[in-house]
This record gives sequence, structure tokens and C-alpha cells, in this order.
Amino acid sequence: QKEVEQNSGPLSVPEGAIASLNCTYSDRVSQSFFWYRQYSGKSPELIMSIYSNGDKEDGRFTAQLNKASQYVSLLIRDSQPSDSATYLCAVNIGGAGNKLTFGGGTRVLVKP
Amino acid sequence: NAGVMQNPRHLVRRRGQEARLRCSPMKGHSHVYWYRQLPEEGLKFMVYLQKENIIDESGMPKERFSAEFPKEGPSILRIQQVVRGDSAAYFCASSPMGRETQYFGPGTRLLVL
Repeated sequence: QKEVEQNSGPLSVPEGAIASLNCTYSDRVSQSFFWYRQYSGKSPELIMSIYSNGDKEDGRFTAQLNKASQYVSLLIRDSQPSDSATYLCAVNIGGAGNKLTFGGGTRVLVKP
Repeated sequence: NAGVMQNPRHLVRRRGQEARLRCSPMKGHSHVYWYRQLPEEGLKFMVYLQKENIIDESGMPKERFSAEFPKEGPSILRIQQVVRGDSAAYFCASSPMGRETQYFGPGTRLLVL
């Protein structure tokens, strides 16, 4: 079992719809969770961090964390073609130090 | 406030040569991380450094790879005797002391011929 797992996609959503991305992780001790966006050929760009159970909203993005079930999700509301990218889930596995373990990423395609 | 800077952005080396990748963290950031992204694969942690200290090098290959973050100047990731399998994008990230959020630089794309 991979430490951080994501569906590779592609997740195809129509413009204006909600994109829902999921990520599961293996280590219950993990405390810090991050979502990054990566356009093809570019570097990861931080979208959100979340540390506590529940929802965290930032603009059109909402991160949801459920530590008991060991999953973290990202919702993108009112999806735009510019949201088409790969979304990376990153977890501080084991809660030790600052080492991030990344999932393989979910590719999102927003169709006009 | 300038972001994380990496150079060169692209580097071509022949097998057996050395590659040196440089990273300057964001202003005020004292922690540097190196990650590697192989073609069609995910980001993999390599090493975590603070000034003059290697904190965690659990992701570094045992041979040919080394990293440093001197008191003055950028962090350096050094790959000796490169092989074709080293061809990848190498990303540097930085974070401020006491914070876990990491911000990535533009990366160095290494191609080994």
C-alpha cells in the first residue's frame, strides 16, 4: 500500500461544475496535509494546507480532512478551464520533521 | 519578495559528468528541501537541510548524490558521474523556521545524454 494514494484520473468536469478530489494516507500519526497544483512542465504551487478535522475554505477551494478515516479531499467550485492541471496531495507522514510524501496526483480537465 | 530561486533551469550532461544544482530559498526561510520528479512519476523527497546541517537525507541515493546548505550562499545538490536514470526534474522548496508549509522553486530539468 502506498503511503499517499490518489486516483490518477483524468477527472473531467464541465466548466462551472464542482471538481472533487480525494486522497488517502496510511499513517495515523500524520498531522499536516497540503494540496498543490502543478501545471504541465511547471513546479508545484501551494493551494491549501489543513491540519484539523473538518473543512477549510479559501476562495473557490475547500479542503476537507477526516483523520479517523485517513482521507483528505479538495473541492474546486465553479471550475474554470485554467484549473486544468494535476493536483498533488502531500502529507507529513509520521509527523516527524518536515518531510512531505506526495501522492501520484490527480489530473483534472475542465472542459468549456 | 522573491520566491525560491533555482539555477540552472535546464542542464544537459553527458554520462559520467557532474551536475550541480543550486537553490536559494525565499527571503526569511531557513529550511531547504530537495525533491526529484522522474518522468511520469510523482515527487519524491530527497533531503532536508538547514544552514550548515543535513536534517534528513533518507531519500537520497546512497551513492553519487550529496547536498549542502552552507552558511553563505545557496544550497547545492551535487550529482557525480551522472547516468541516464538521473534525468528528471529536481525541485527545491523552502519554509520558514517553525513552519511546515513548503514553497517550491521553478525546478531544474536535468537531461543526461
